[in-house]
Amino acid sequence: NAGVTQTPKFQVLKTGQSMTLQCAQDMNHEYMSWYRQDPGMGLRLIHYSVGAGITDQGEVPNGYNVSRSTTEDFPLRLLSAAPSQTSVYFCASSTRGGVRNEQFFGPGTRLTVL
Amino acid sequence: LAKTTQPISMDSYEGQEVNITCSHNNIATNDYITWYQQFPSQGPRFIIQGYKTKVTNEVASLFIPADRKSSTLSLPRVSLSDTAVYYCLVGEDSNYQLIWGAGTKLIIKP
Repeated sequence: NAGVTQTPKFQVLKTGQSMTLQCAQDMNHEYMSWYRQDPGMGLRLIHYSVGAGITDQGEVPNGYNVSRSTTEDFPLRLLSAAPSQTSVYFCASSTRGGVRNEQFFGPGTRLTVL
Repeated sequence: LAKTTQPISMDSYEGQEVNITCSHNNIATNDYITWYQQFPSQGPRFIIQGYKTKVTNEVASLFIPADRKSSTLSLPRVSLSDTAVYYCLVGEDSNYQLIWGAGTKLIIKP
């Protein structure tokens, strides 16, 4: 049981480039989400999904796209990278959303945009 | 979602009990309280969750007074490995947009 996996661990992009951050979970969780974490700050929700085919925006969705074609996978796409998107990105999953349900986090992807 | 306020940082020493308080004055009837721990370069990890009074597990205790306007995470006999950022989250079960504050950076000294 691998839990939540994220790839890559590190990535450097140039301004304007696009890329996809991968996230997968093997716990059959319906709820998945993407966060970004900037230095000294808490996590900010980018997008989330309550099941395959269903996604919604979080607090900071601009510049990011998501899709959820399977229960297991929830990729995050950066359409045209900007320096302001330099951050650490975490993917999480849980049986359901909400404060009451334990969120399981991946190890994170550290992204630098030059 | 109820807004939460935590101290930015705290120091303590190995072997001491540490209490971190989270203020949530506008907590709603259906809101639950959950605490997470985050080590450097890792994602947060669930510690404990409660609704009222006291909850205890193998890692920590959570104390919630009757008015529920605050909650206190208690870590017994801390060690250096408890150095981390601790987050308090408050919200109802059906709200899927979790709001994370800046957390409390706990530093344990030898």
